[in-house]
Amino acid sequence: EVQLLESGGGLVRPGGSLRLSCAASGFTFSNYAMSWVRQTPEKGLEWVSAIGGGGGSTFYADSLRGRFTISRDNSKNTLSLQMNGLRAEDTAIYYCAKTPRPTVTKGYCFDFWGQGTLVTVSS
Amino acid sequence: DIQMTQSPSSLSASVGDRVSITCRASQDISSYLNWYQQKPGKAPKLLIYAASSLQSGVPSRFSGSGSGTDFTLTISSLQPEDFATYYCQQSYTIPAFSFGQGTKLEIK
Repeated sequence: EVQLLESGGGLVRPGGSLRLSCAASGFTFSNYAMSWVRQTPEKGLEWVSAIGGGGGSTFYADSLRGRFTISRDNSKNTLSLQMNGLRAEDTAIYYCAKTPRPTVTKGYCFDFWGQGTLVTVSS
Repeated sequence: DIQMTQSPSSLSASVGDRVSITCRASQDISSYLNWYQQKPGKAPKLLIYAASSLQSGVPSRFSGSGSGTDFTLTISSLQPEDFATYYCQQSYTIPAFSFGQGTKLEIK
């Protein structure tokens, strides 16, 4: 059974940093690209970042580039998102999501999701 | 960026009804369109990928159609567990995989 378990969310002040993690199990982690997707009541679902199965290809939403860094450790079946320079508009539930293919290509979809971790940016 | 617009934003229906939700892309996305279901407090669940392919384990009452800019998710006979919010997502542009704003399906 595929399981994705996010952790690392919490309350952080504007300008602060946070590192999210996603522990994966139930599948061969290195064979699949992974993403982070966030959700707010105001903006709905927003794709944040993606990484290929091997970790060599990374992608970011244009609005986030330079502040967030996605990475993975295939030896530990773990996906991470380092978030720096956090802003109030980064407040959201952050989901870790698996894709059914090893690369980030057209046709990309999210076939399994974690339960999400809440990030709140506030002073 | 490609904008995805869903209609209606909300919909009231009864158990047993046939319902359709529409998603329109701001430009041609061929068949690179996915549909998700989300229940309160839960993560989204993939229903349909590539516009019309049913994800494994999803009941056959769900179907998807369309190509180009106009797409439809149809539920042939609503069941109590189908009341949820539905989202479309385009996977044509790499890597800006945008979602629609959602359609909330409520019990009449």
